[in-house]
This record gives sequence, C-alpha cells and structure tokens, in this order.
Amino acid sequence: GQNIDQPTEMTATEGAIVQINCTYQTSGFNGLFWYQQHAGEAPTFLSYNVLDGLEEKGRFSSFLSRSKGYSYLLLKELQMKDSASYLCAVRNYGQNFVFGPGTRLSVLP
Amino acid sequence: SAVISQKPSRDICQRGTSLTIQCQVDSQVTMMFWYRQQPGQSLTLIATANQGSEATYESGFVIDKFPISRPNLTFSTLTVSNMSPEDSSIYLCSVPLGGTGGLGGGYTFGSGTRLTVV
Repeated sequence: GQNIDQPTEMTATEGAIVQINCTYQTSGFNGLFWYQQHAGEAPTFLSYNVLDGLEEKGRFSSFLSRSKGYSYLLLKELQMKDSASYLCAVRNYGQNFVFGPGTRLSVLP
Repeated sequence: SAVISQKPSRDICQRGTSLTIQCQVDSQVTMMFWYRQQPGQSLTLIATANQGSEATYESGFVIDKFPISRPNLTFSTLTVSNMSPEDSSIYLCSVPLGGTGGLGGGYTFGSGTRLTVV
C-alpha cells in the first residue's frame, strides 16, 4: 500500500522556525516534493529531494532520509504570508505522485 | 518554466450534465496530469494524459466518467461526465516545471477549476 503522513495542523510565531515532518511508505520512490498551497489557490512547488540530505533554498530547507522514509520541511524567519497548507508528495517510479494530507500552518503575530 | 492556462476557473452545473475543463501550456510537455482535490483534502491523481495514446487512469477512476483528450503536446481536456454532487471538487492539471517531463525538478499546476454540482 501507499501511505504518507503529516501533522494536520501546526501553529508558530512570526520570526520563528518551524519544522513540518512527513513520513512515507510507497511502492516506489523517485523523489520527494514539497508544495505550498494557500487557501483557494493551486499548489506551488517549493523543493525536491531525491538523495539523502538537506536541500536549502532561501528561507526554506528540505531534508530526506530514504532509509527511514522520512522528510521534513524547515521554514525559517516565518512571515505571516507563510500561513498556508504544506503538501508532501512522493513520486513513484515513472511520473505518478502520491500526495500527503497536507499540514495547515498558521503563523501568528 | 512552463505556464498553464486553465479554464473555466469555476462552474456550477446541474446533476447529470457534463463539464469539459481545458489546460493550455505555453510550451511543449511530454506528460500532463489531472488531479482532483476534494474540499479540505489533499490532491488525488486522476490520470496521466499521453499525447497520441489513451490516458492512463489511476485506481478508482475510469475513462467513461473522466474522458481525457490530448491532441498535441501543449493542450489537454478533462471531461467530468454525468455529474453528481459527489463530483463537486477542484480539478487541476499539472506539468513538469521544465516542460520536458524529465525526472528532475518540480511540477507546476494550473489555477484549478472549482466545480459545484447541484
């Protein structure tokens, strides 16, 4: 079977750091993706990991451990505009994606 | 990176009718994907639209209900047929950011079609 788990909701304070975890069990693995989705909008690509380790892109970093079936998205210097849902998605072999349920992040002043 | 124009952005339809959603990409892409996002939920892949051949459907989705066309490398349509209130959802198309369908990089989404069936 295929299963991706993420926390349903998280709350953090403006300026802080937050880590959103994702664990997965899928029939194949060809990359893990993180997307940001604001309410009423389409998802926007944030990051992509295919090898173990940390990928950094400005205020956003994503980590992957394939042996543990684990990833996290790290958001630094949180801003109010970061309030959104964050979706973890695993690409199986080929181009099929399995999306996690998403984590709704609320950034408070 | 590839840019997608998706329409309509929203529609309210009567039960039993059909709606066709269009996605136009500004560059040639080998693969296009159609997703459904039900209220408050994450994305579920409906099918992969292949140019020159039939679409590949995921478990739980069938061609009779969701026929797909892919006449060329920049355009695809998804039809939601014989609609019922359970089909009320957001439908999105997606293509590789780089447009080539390679294994690297992220994917971009159309702006979505919010469908309400009454």
